[in-house]
Amino acid sequence: DGGITQSPKYLFRKEGQNVTLSCEQNLNHDAMYWYRQDPGQGLRLIYYSQIVNDFQKGDIAEGYSVSREKKESFPLTVTSAQKNPTAFYLCASSYTGTGIQPQHFGDGTRLSIL
Amino acid sequence: SQQGEEDPQALSIQEGENATMNCSYKTSINNLQWYRQNSGRGLVHLILIRSNEREKHSGRLRVTLDTSKKSSSLLITASRAADTASYFCATARSSNTGKLIFGQGTTLQVKP
Repeated sequence: DGGITQSPKYLFRKEGQNVTLSCEQNLNHDAMYWYRQDPGQGLRLIYYSQIVNDFQKGDIAEGYSVSREKKESFPLTVTSAQKNPTAFYLCASSYTGTGIQPQHFGDGTRLSIL
Repeated sequence: SQQGEEDPQALSIQEGENATMNCSYKTSINNLQWYRQNSGRGLVHLILIRSNEREKHSGRLRVTLDTSKKSSSLLITASRAADTASYFCATARSSNTGKLIFGQGTTLQVKP
C-alpha cells in the first residue's frame, strides 16, 4: 500500500537540542510539505518542496530546516532556535506542487519539551 | 493569517441528523478542499471542488461553492458516530503555488 510514513510518533526535545523528524513517501509524488498544528488550531505551513533538490519557506519557517535530497524523503529539523516547538507536526505530499491535487498526510509526530 | 474561516467552531448532533459546516475565504482561488482529521491522526482528503464548479457530491457528502460570496459549505447527511472528527477547509490560490491555506476547523461530535 502506498502512503506517507512519519517517525517517530512521539519525540521529546531537551533545551538546546536539535531534533529531526522523518517523513517518507512511496506515492511517487513530486511535492512534499511540512505543517505545524497547535491544539485546537488549523495547519500552518513550515516548508514545502515542489521537486527534489528544491524547497521554499512557508509561513512559519524560522527555527526549522529541511532537505530534499531524494524524492521519497523530506526530513524536518527543529533547531534550538525554535523557542516554542511543542506541537503536532504533519507531513504531506501531492502528485505535483501546483495545488490542483489533494494532499496525502502522514499520521504525525508529536513533539514535546523535556 | 488563515485564509479560511470556519463556522461553527464546534457542532454536536445526534446520529442520523445532518451536519453543515461553512467556510469563508478572502482571495481568489483555484480550488477548495475539505479534509477530515480524527483525533491524534493525520488529515484525510474528502472532496475537492474547483472554482468553476458550484456543487459536488461524494457518498453522504455534499459540498457547495459560491465564489461571489467567497464561501463553501460541507453537508454530511445521515451522520454516524464514526463521522466524529474535525473538519477543515483548505484553499489553493489561483496562482498555483502549490500552497494550501487551512481554516481552523469545525469539531463535529455525533452522539450515538
